[in-house]
Amino acid sequence: GAVVSQHPSWVICKSGTSVKIECRSLDFQATTMFWYRQFPKQSLMLMATSNEGSKATYEQGVEKDKFLINHASLTLSTLTVTSAHPEDSSFYICSAPVPLGNQPQHFGDGTRLSIL
Amino acid sequence: GENVEQHPSTLSVQEGDSAVIKCTYSDSASNYFPWYKQELGKGPQLIIDIRSNVGEKKDQRIAVTLNKTAKHFSLHITETQPEDSAVYFCAASRNSGNTPLVFGKGTRLSVIA
Repeated sequence: GAVVSQHPSWVICKSGTSVKIECRSLDFQATTMFWYRQFPKQSLMLMATSNEGSKATYEQGVEKDKFLINHASLTLSTLTVTSAHPEDSSFYICSAPVPLGNQPQHFGDGTRLSIL
Repeated sequence: GENVEQHPSTLSVQEGDSAVIKCTYSDSASNYFPWYKQELGKGPQLIIDIRSNVGEKKDQRIAVTLNKTAKHFSLHITETQPEDSAVYFCAASRNSGNTPLVFGKGTRLSVIA
């Protein structure tokens, strides 16, 4: 079945560092991918919609200059957390809808980001 | 926009008993309602979904019901097993899942052996 791969699974870095997270659709092409953030014991909240070949759409309250999204190909979207601070520590998860018919969204396994 | 409410937030059941989790949604245009299971440190895994043209769907021990008029849908797990212990999220979206999902707050299910 359709698979979404996310990398890395865990990142620990110092405050001020920029961190890039990759989301790949392994056996289908994804013109759209979604990035969610999940704080401990909370639900998934949509951060932005990544669109292949065009600018991402950000949800209200999400800083586009801090969370840079690039969707340069039909199988890869990247989220870069720039100048990360401890409050950016969270679980970041991507998902991609399969564009053929009524298919469910498939989620990556998430990236746990810890900023010291 | 869409708002999804989920209850209960925690649920403990004895192994072999049934578990029921309920969700309500606000947007009458939503037509796709998936349920995800999330284990610690992992991404959500789809366990069952239902579309608005169907009232009930079953897959072995798992079933989902949808009441469009009342705007609520429920997850039923029968003959629960310890490996069913996880956090379960309901979600809703328009356009049959090709748009972002709005999630409920989750239910932590504990199945006691």
